[in-house]
Amino acid sequence: DTAVSQTPKYLVTQMGNDKSIKCEQNLGHDTMYWYKQDSKKFLKIMFSYNNKELIINETVPNRFSPKSPDKAHLNLHINSLELGDSAVYFCASSRGYGELFFGEGSRLTVL
Amino acid sequence: AQKITQTQPGMFVQEKEAVTLDCTYDTSDQSYGLFWYKQPSSGEMIFLIYQGSYDEQNATEGRYSLNFQKARKSANLVISASQLGDSAMYFCAMREGPSWGKLQFGAGTQVVVTP
Repeated sequence: DTAVSQTPKYLVTQMGNDKSIKCEQNLGHDTMYWYKQDSKKFLKIMFSYNNKELIINETVPNRFSPKSPDKAHLNLHINSLELGDSAVYFCASSRGYGELFFGEGSRLTVL
Repeated sequence: AQKITQTQPGMFVQEKEAVTLDCTYDTSDQSYGLFWYKQPSSGEMIFLIYQGSYDEQNATEGRYSLNFQKARKSANLVISASQLGDSAMYFCAMREGPSWGKLQFGAGTQVVVTP
């Protein structure tokens, strides 16, 4: 059973479109995250939810809207996609001070 | 300001040798955690090792050990007896403050293990 699963793994879309990435974790963790990894492999936090509450929002454009329907799910919706949004988006979860468990990543390509 | 600095963008190491990956961090918190992750070319993020700021002993996990020098604010990763499968990008990361706080990552070090 996959601990943190993201769908889809690949998205290719045109500028201006809207897309969503879904994330689910079956580890019973309280905290979930979205990270963006750019073309230089730099990983940057975007959002974090703890018990369904948004606790970190790292100056991400408001075209990005996370949603956590319950503790096990954290989805990411992106409106009006731009070329600069092309990246790999990672979902992750953690409990307490422990390590983050990452999903396999979702590679978004905006044409 | 950069919180995590990895000064080695890339390095080559021969199979069976040990390699040290440098990581320095910047924090004024007393309580923090340091992490190392591996990202192979397949893209997944694999947790390797953790060191808490109050841990007196250096962390070890199999062939991985963390050389924690608190006064110098460094947390270097040592991989002993390198294997071809160790070729990957390695990231150092730090969590400050609360348990649900974000992990901030360094820029990574690309390691290539040669036969």
